[in-house]
Amino acid sequence: EVQLVQSGAEVKKPGESLKISCRGSGYRFNNYWIGWVRQMPGKGLEWMGIIYPDDSDTKYSPSFQGQVTISVDRSINTAYLQWSSLKASDTATYYCARESLTSAESDYWGQGTLVTVSS
Amino acid sequence: DIQMTQSPSSLSASVGDRVTITCRASQGISSWLAWYQQKPGKAPKPLIYAASSLRSGVPSRFSGSGSGTDFTLTINSLQPEDFATYYCQQYDSYPRTFGGGTKVEIK
Repeated sequence: EVQLVQSGAEVKKPGESLKISCRGSGYRFNNYWIGWVRQMPGKGLEWMGIIYPDDSDTKYSPSFQGQVTISVDRSINTAYLQWSSLKASDTATYYCARESLTSAESDYWGQGTLVTVSS
Repeated sequence: DIQMTQSPSSLSASVGDRVTITCRASQGISSWLAWYQQKPGKAPKPLIYAASSLRSGVPSRFSGSGSGTDFTLTINSLQPEDFATYYCQQYDSYPRTFGGGTKVEIK
């Protein structure tokens, strides 16, 4: 069974750093793109970027380029999304999602990680 | 970036109604379009890929159509569990982009 399991909710202060994770299981992790999607409270879905675990090829949305870093640890089948200096506007739920090999839609999603940034 | 425009942003419907949601791409995306359903506090659930292919396990009352720039999601005979927000997404090119969402509410 394909699963993407994300790390738990976080409460941080502005200016702090953070790294959240997404562990894949039940499939060949290295051979599927894994993307990240932001959902701010009460708002829609925003595509942030994506990584190919096998070679760490990464693509970012211009809206998020330079604001976050996407990385991967192939040894533990885990993708990461990190911030070096959080802002209150980073408060959101973040989802990871696998892209299908055959069609490239996001066919499996993590359960989401709620990040709250507040002083 | 390819902009995805969904309409309407919300609608009210009754159980048994037929519902149609449209999604327009700012440039042609062939059939590289997916539809997702999201309920409050839950991750999006994939419904349709390649504009009209139903994912395994998704009820047949859901259907998708279109190609190029104009797409439609239709729900025939709306059921209580279908009240949710629906999003389209293009995956023709990077960055992937989503429509703004359509909230389907109970009339």
